[in-house]
Amino acid sequence: DIQMTQSPSSLSASVGDRVTITCRASQGISNSLAWYQQKPGKAPKLLLYAASRLESGVPSRFSGSGSGTDYTLTISSLQPEDFATYYCQQYYSTPRTFGQGTKLEIK
Amino acid sequence: EVQLVESGGGLVKPGGSLRLSCAASGFTFSSYSMNWVRQAPGKGLEWVSSISSSSSYIYYADSVKGRFTISRDNAKNSLYLQMNSLRAEDTAVYYCARDVGTIFGSWGQGTLVTVSS
Repeated sequence: DIQMTQSPSSLSASVGDRVTITCRASQGISNSLAWYQQKPGKAPKLLLYAASRLESGVPSRFSGSGSGTDYTLTISSLQPEDFATYYCQQYYSTPRTFGQGTKLEIK
Repeated sequence: EVQLVESGGGLVKPGGSLRLSCAASGFTFSSYSMNWVRQAPGKGLEWVSSISSSSSYIYYADSVKGRFTISRDNAKNSLYLQMNSLRAEDTAVYYCARDVGTIFGSWGQGTLVTVSS
């Protein structure tokens, strides 16, 4: 199974900050990476796929990059509604696996 | 609008069984692979099982293989998860998720399964 490791596990930031979350796969996944946002008590929501492609309707302040085993999610200017938990997930092989999550909190 | 509505969760004793359902609407259900993904309280996400559009291909996580059975009824636009021999570690919110390619493109609101004596 491919292990996905996110860092940091938690992050405190302020509205307007630029933040970056990192996801590392235990082997190369050829950009087969998605990012999800989850708010408390809600289902996850797809933000990006293919490492850098924005899902329809997702604000352009979200972006993704990376290749091979290392990927990043960047939020260019945090908005109040962005405080949530973020998960990366590989779909290169079965079982599809998730990172452990990054909780983004208000400073 | 894609809608996925799970039901069937509840409290069950260890060793017991439960059947989850997911009612789909707003898209051509028979054209999409479907999944179950779970989340233990306060924990991360874990893929549980997948089924292809025509039920030809079925996959399970090792943690549920031999105990859980995924199925679908395309005529009823419904996805199911039969869970047997339940354990405390199966306690979680269970989400039904539609595949777009092999990405979890749309999710239901989840149903809570609690395994406890």
